Amino acid sequence: GQNIDQPTEMTATEGAIVQINCTYQTSGFNGLFWYQQHAGEAPTFLSYNVLDGLEEKGRFSSFLSRSKGYSYLLLKELQMKDSASYLCAVMDSNYQLIWGAGTKLIIKP
Amino acid sequence: DADVTQTPRNRITKTGKRIMLECSQTKGHDRMYWYRQDPGLGLQLIYYSFDVKDINKGEISDGYSVSRQAQAKFSLSLESAIPNQTALYFCATSEGRDAAEQYFGPGTRLTVT
Repeated sequence: GQNIDQPTEMTATEGAIVQINCTYQTSGFNGLFWYQQHAGEAPTFLSYNVLDGLEEKGRFSSFLSRSKGYSYLLLKELQMKDSASYLCAVMDSNYQLIWGAGTKLIIKP
Repeated sequence: DADVTQTPRNRITKTGKRIMLECSQTKGHDRMYWYRQDPGLGLQLIYYSFDVKDINKGEISDGYSVSRQAQAKFSLSLESAIPNQTALYFCATSEGRDAAEQYFGPGTRLTVT
């Protein structure tokens, strides 16, 4: 079966750095997405990785290792507004998105 | 104005009732999707449509049907609602290429009693 694993919840301090991991087992791979979802709101796109390596976008970076079935989202200089759930999703061989359950990130002052 | 809109935003209905959730988009995208989200679970794809004449079942289509009335409109129907269809429903759109990001509507919170 297809599976996306990410931690259920993480806590970090304002101004710090946090890394949210995602491991996956899917039938084929056509890219990995990270989305941010604030409570009660719609998911919004953060990043897309299809090749191995690090993609940096401001305070957010996303890393992919296809051989290990592994990705992480790195958030730097954390702000209170970063409190949200972070969803990892993999596009499989049929170009369907398989979604993880999300990681709820709590930022403390 | 929002690019992807959903109506209603909240709905409470009784078991056995028919209900329709509507989605409209002004992004000009060909592809549209319906998902449900339950606490502790990932988004689950119900149906998707790559154009007006192309509609496909997702992983959890039983108990649901859809209609793509136009490029901009994609409706989801529950023919006979049951309590385990209580969930948050999202509509999403994307460009007509395979690795395109998806844009989500604000969601419809549906409660079936």
